[in-house]
Amino acid sequence: AQSVAQPEDQVNVAEGNPLTVKCTYSVSGNPYLFWYVQYPNRGLQFLLKYITGDNLVKGSYGFEAEFNKSQTSFHLKKPSALVSDSALYFCAVDNAGNMLTFGGGTRLMVKP
Amino acid sequence: KAGVTQTPRYLIKTRGQQVTLSCSPISGHRSVSWYQQTPGQGLQFLFEYFSETQRNKGNFPGRFSGRQFSNSRSEMNVSTLELGDSALYLCASSFPGMGGEETQYFGPGTRLLVL
Repeated sequence: AQSVAQPEDQVNVAEGNPLTVKCTYSVSGNPYLFWYVQYPNRGLQFLLKYITGDNLVKGSYGFEAEFNKSQTSFHLKKPSALVSDSALYFCAVDNAGNMLTFGGGTRLMVKP
Repeated sequence: KAGVTQTPRYLIKTRGQQVTLSCSPISGHRSVSWYQQTPGQGLQFLFEYFSETQRNKGNFPGRFSGRQFSNSRSEMNVSTLELGDSALYLCASSFPGMGGEETQYFGPGTRLLVL
């Protein structure tokens, strides 16, 4: 069975500072890893994914994520946070075919 | 390209009733997946359809069912509604990858309130 853990319910960061949202996973086989963002009363918006290749994945809106196989982690990062980045972030894994398993979500609060 | 659309956006039902939610995928996408989002259980996979066939199913009771039409549009049905079925129901579409590498694009969701 596959699982995803997001150890922080909330991350607080000041605008302009770098941000990291943590994610660890457990899966048999090749991990296909995803990050999504959810704004209030909206669906999930795709940010980036890791399939294979370079461990540093670049995505939308300046976000990137680093895949670390030995630590089974896929942390989301951004060099300089914006107030508009405040939202709910979900890490997910899929190795069964269009069947995402999500972490519990991390609320990111960026303060001016 | 138009995104994934879901109708209705909001729905209020009473216990014991049934409900049908609709999802239209992105043009060209043939796989449709459904998810339930609640504060307590988070995001959980319901089922996935491709070419009018259910390929994967999550751990939900038989009251939850779905189907897909030849134009890839999908519906999900919940019968004998319970208070705990109150949730945001999300639909996602993707190309029909087999290994999980395809990106799923989500619709805005249908918020169901069961009274």
